[in-house]
Amino acid sequence: AQSVTQLGSHVSVSEGALVLLRCNYSSSVPPYLFWYVQYPNQGLQLLLKYTSAATLVKGINGFEAEFKKSETSFHLTKPSAHMSDAAEYFCAVSDPGANSKLTFGKGITLSVRP
Amino acid sequence: GAVVSQHPSRVICKSGTSVKIECRSLDFQATTMFWYRQFPKQSLMLMATSNEGSKATYEQGVEKDKFLINHASLTLSTLTVTSAHPEDSSFYICSARVRTGPGTEAFFGQGTRLTVV
Repeated sequence: AQSVTQLGSHVSVSEGALVLLRCNYSSSVPPYLFWYVQYPNQGLQLLLKYTSAATLVKGINGFEAEFKKSETSFHLTKPSAHMSDAAEYFCAVSDPGANSKLTFGKGITLSVRP
Repeated sequence: GAVVSQHPSRVICKSGTSVKIECRSLDFQATTMFWYRQFPKQSLMLMATSNEGSKATYEQGVEKDKFLINHASLTLSTLTVTSAHPEDSSFYICSARVRTGPGTEAFFGQGTRLTVV
């Protein structure tokens, strides 16, 4: 079984400040890991993914995440927050199978203060 | 990237009626699609895995007779909420996975906001 833990439900940062959203996973097989962003009443958009290649993964909109097997973590960071980054962020895990289901964390709401 | 189109984006129906939600893969073929349900301020919960040409696989606790899934072609999966009740009001999202490079990537529909009155 796989699971994802996203501690806390809400993170608030000032515009220009560092964004750090935490994600820890549990998996019995080498995992694939994903970060998605969701804006109100919309589907999910992929920010970045880890699929057993480079441990530091760069995504869209300046986000990146580092896979740390020893810590079972895949934290999402962005050096400088923009107002447009305010949204819901989900970490997800799956096994490498082509049609494997995604298991999502409960999500974190990111607010950006002017 | 691949496009998954979900329709309708919003629907309001009366209690006791049925509602069909469509999920289409526009530029690729999807042998498998996933249906999720999302409650306000909560995560996505997988309801079922839709398999082209065969029966869907439902997650534990999901009523298969209430949430009917049909995957008749490689580009279309439908979710029908039968005899809808207010507690079925939710945000429903479909997804399909596509091979991209060495791995796969899940693409999501825009979601359907169902309100049962």
